Amino acid sequence: DAKTTQPNSMESNEEEPVHLPCNHSTISGTDYIHWYRQLPSQGPEYVIHGLTSNVNNRMASLAIAEDRKSSTLILHRATLRDAAVYYCILRDWEGGSEKLVFGKGTKLTVNP
Amino acid sequence: DAGITQSPRHKVTETGTPVTLRCHQTENHRYMYWYRQDPGHGLRLIHYSYGVKDTDKGEVSDGYSVSRSKTEDFLLTLESATSSQTSVYFCAISDRQGQTQYFGPGTRLLVL
Repeated sequence: DAKTTQPNSMESNEEEPVHLPCNHSTISGTDYIHWYRQLPSQGPEYVIHGLTSNVNNRMASLAIAEDRKSSTLILHRATLRDAAVYYCILRDWEGGSEKLVFGKGTKLTVNP
Repeated sequence: DAGITQSPRHKVTETGTPVTLRCHQTENHRYMYWYRQDPGHGLRLIHYSYGVKDTDKGEVSDGYSVSRSKTEDFLLTLESATSSQTSVYFCAISDRQGQTQYFGPGTRLLVL
């Protein structure tokens, strides 16, 4: 499985934007970039995914570099409820990978 | 929220005893997964199912078995629990191969 690299932790203030980076220099052409997050004492939850173009949904935006070797998850206005561990994951669409390979993720702290 | 429940939510057992964890879904999704989460390792796939009576091993399957006799239920069995199997266990479902996975609330298992 292709690897991703994320900072161990980040801090933000409430109502400010947060940019969570992810490096995936060995990404293949068929890899989708997925983001999940895990709130304290809960199971992971899906946030967003994309292939080449930037993506937006009600939770976040995903900005993908032109060479696809990195991406950034953007929370436009962080709230206390966004404090979680955020995981950047590559999924091979053509291979039909059956598993999500979770790294250690980025622990986001949101200060009031 | 996806209709996924796990039971029990908490369990304490002794080394050498059998333990069965249950995952139940109301979404009629074809794929079901069992992960374990440990400090320093993130989430790791134990077993998964791609249909009734169709299962396969994940990366940490030793000491675990699974069964799926109905679409809605996926059972994880520890035949003879060991202290190394103390962990938080998460069930996940998805409707198509490679698609978004939805996670249950988790089961905390302590093996003494």
